[in-house]
Amino acid sequence: QSVLTQPPSVSAAPGQKVTISCSGSSSNIENNYVFWYQQLPGTAPKFLIYENNKRPSGIPDRFSGSKSGTSATLGITGLQTGDEADYYCGTWDTSLSGWVFGGGTKLTVL
Amino acid sequence: EVHLVESGGGFVKPGGSLRLSCAASGFTFSNALMSWVRQAPGKGLEWVGRIKTKTDGATTDYAAPVKGRFTISRDDSINTLFLQMNSLKIEDTGVYYCVGWMRWGQGTLVTVSS
Repeated sequence: QSVLTQPPSVSAAPGQKVTISCSGSSSNIENNYVFWYQQLPGTAPKFLIYENNKRPSGIPDRFSGSKSGTSATLGITGLQTGDEADYYCGTWDTSLSGWVFGGGTKLTVL
Repeated sequence: EVHLVESGGGFVKPGGSLRLSCAASGFTFSNALMSWVRQAPGKGLEWVGRIKTKTDGATTDYAAPVKGRFTISRDDSINTLFLQMNSLKIEDTGVYYCVGWMRWGQGTLVTVSS
């Protein structure tokens, strides 16, 4: 059982938009920065979004992040088949004094 | 370009020990907070622990399942992060990633089995 809650899977057609939610609490998401990671099949994860809504260099602006209260959301527009991957949210948990991840969301581009 | 390259993974019996290394390049390693994250086969990501910079006291934090068994250290003179794993359990099996400076390494596989 992960501290952060994500839907196990989402799907959408190429060109469409999808959002992935990440639900936490006041000890993690509400008072700390949220990060998002993309893990393509068979590869290591990579940073997708940092500090709630910033994109590292090289990440297209089709990817966006937002946060409100104890929840965060990853948005992906103009879906491509190459976006099929597992997506994880992560943040520091002040009560646990540790980093916590969501269980991951598998994105399928139909 | 930032690179993180893990090594030291392998097969070990329960109760055994293993030391992982992560060689960093392309950034000022001594200025970077570094972490270890693992992923059991077919499962999600699990934070193992982190080490702050020397400026911040090089303090460490660990996840509950590994506290007291794993030790994270760093040698800034050779830009290398370490993870000493003792009293290994079957549930420690997985790919171990080094993470820092907005990058993940490619991971190294640790298999604990009798």
